[in-house]
Amino acid sequence: GAVVSQHPSRVICKSGTSVKIECRSLDFQATTMFWYRQFPKQSLMLMATSNEGSKATYEQGVEKDKFLINHASLTLSTLTVTSAHPEDSSFYICSVAKESSGNTIYFGEGSWLTVV
Amino acid sequence: QKEVEQDPGPLSVPEGAIVSLNCTYSNSAFQYFMWYRQYSRKGPELLMYTYSSGNKEDGRFTAQVDKSSKYISLFIRDSQPSDSATYLCAMRKGSNSGYALNFGKGTSLLVTP
Repeated sequence: GAVVSQHPSRVICKSGTSVKIECRSLDFQATTMFWYRQFPKQSLMLMATSNEGSKATYEQGVEKDKFLINHASLTLSTLTVTSAHPEDSSFYICSVAKESSGNTIYFGEGSWLTVV
Repeated sequence: QKEVEQDPGPLSVPEGAIVSLNCTYSNSAFQYFMWYRQYSRKGPELLMYTYSSGNKEDGRFTAQVDKSSKYISLFIRDSQPSDSATYLCAMRKGSNSGYALNFGKGTSLLVTP
């Protein structure tokens, strides 16, 4: 069964609005979750590492004020794209490391964001 | 130079063929190696997870790691049309460096009936 759940799977929003994407670890508690972005025909690029109870760690070039990450509990991390623009349209995927499986990384189903 | 190189393909093979997918990497700090399968508009699905050099087999899939050459491979035996997807290699450093993955670009595979 699924290890990671992501919601919504698809969202369309107007330019200038904000949208929130949820990532839930279903099987286990996850102190660390990861957010990736994937543009069409491109590979996954790590955006940030989400740490439960503390600030997220962002990769170089990712605007932390635009991509707000909240890891409020051991099973839930959220990514909020603020003041979205069409160039933010992409596939956003979260992942978790399962410690009991040698820190195997499992991915959610992804969320397609289209900004119009 | 990207840290992980992977030929994007596309690779087209007839059903039943043996498929060979490969990645090279430049960072000798990578210790854990994975292969993911990604269907269109879906999240990546873990296929194989290896640590040491050598072969690991799981059903029709065999993962091969050669750390001395910085080269990893995934072999698919008796390929099926349902194997048509993008295959991503991924790798990460030791646990002290966190668990973020470095991905190849992915190889698009088409298995024709």
